[in-house]
Amino acid sequence: SSELTQDPAVSVALGQRVRITCQGDSLRSYYVSWYQQKPGQAPVLVIYGKNYRPSGIPDRFSGSSSGNTASLTITGAQAEDEADYYCNSRESSGNSWVFGGGTKLTVL
Amino acid sequence: QVQLVQSGAEVKKPGASVKVSCKASGYIFTGYYMHWVRQAPGQGLEWMGWINPNSGGTNYAQNFQGRVTMTRDTSISTAYMELSRLRSDDTAVYYCARVGTHYDSSGSPTDAFDIWGQGTMVTVSS
Repeated sequence: SSELTQDPAVSVALGQRVRITCQGDSLRSYYVSWYQQKPGQAPVLVIYGKNYRPSGIPDRFSGSSSGNTASLTITGAQAEDEADYYCNSRESSGNSWVFGGGTKLTVL
Repeated sequence: QVQLVQSGAEVKKPGASVKVSCKASGYIFTGYYMHWVRQAPGQGLEWMGWINPNSGGTNYAQNFQGRVTMTRDTSISTAYMELSRLRSDDTAVYYCARVGTHYDSSGSPTDAFDIWGQGTMVTVSS
């Protein structure tokens, strides 16, 4: 089965830019989506497809992808962005999905 | 508004089964696949499988095959996830999530787990 690899933890100074990455072979074939999860809450979709943001997601969130690596970038991180972030994509079979292990973002 | 409302917390003994429900409202239930995802305490998200509410077709993650059954009742716009032969490491929050899929000009699918239920805590303990 495919795997998606994320750094366990990343930190960023308030107002600065941060990139959270996700690596996996299936990303060469399938788009990734990104989810923000705060303690005690369900995940929330923040980026999907080429670089689409659902309604209500601030435009400081953006996504990109190259080869087997996808990235979620927050430009001008805010205190409320402190959360766990998960990537998700289809596995190579195309009929199953997998989540990355998650990245805990700390805003300093 | 579009929402998924799940059933309440459950406490089960090892070896038992649990059935979690997920009631959809605000959209056409049969128009979107429903996925199930779980999260053990302090751990990450784990994909469990999906059900096509229109056909009833399913696909389960390898880790759960033989123990999980996903069903639906279209008359009440509700999806169900039943997990059997419970173990202590099945203790987790279980989420249902609506997934919309679009295809770009090259035919590549774009998936979005865009609506999530509030989660159902399942505790397995003797």
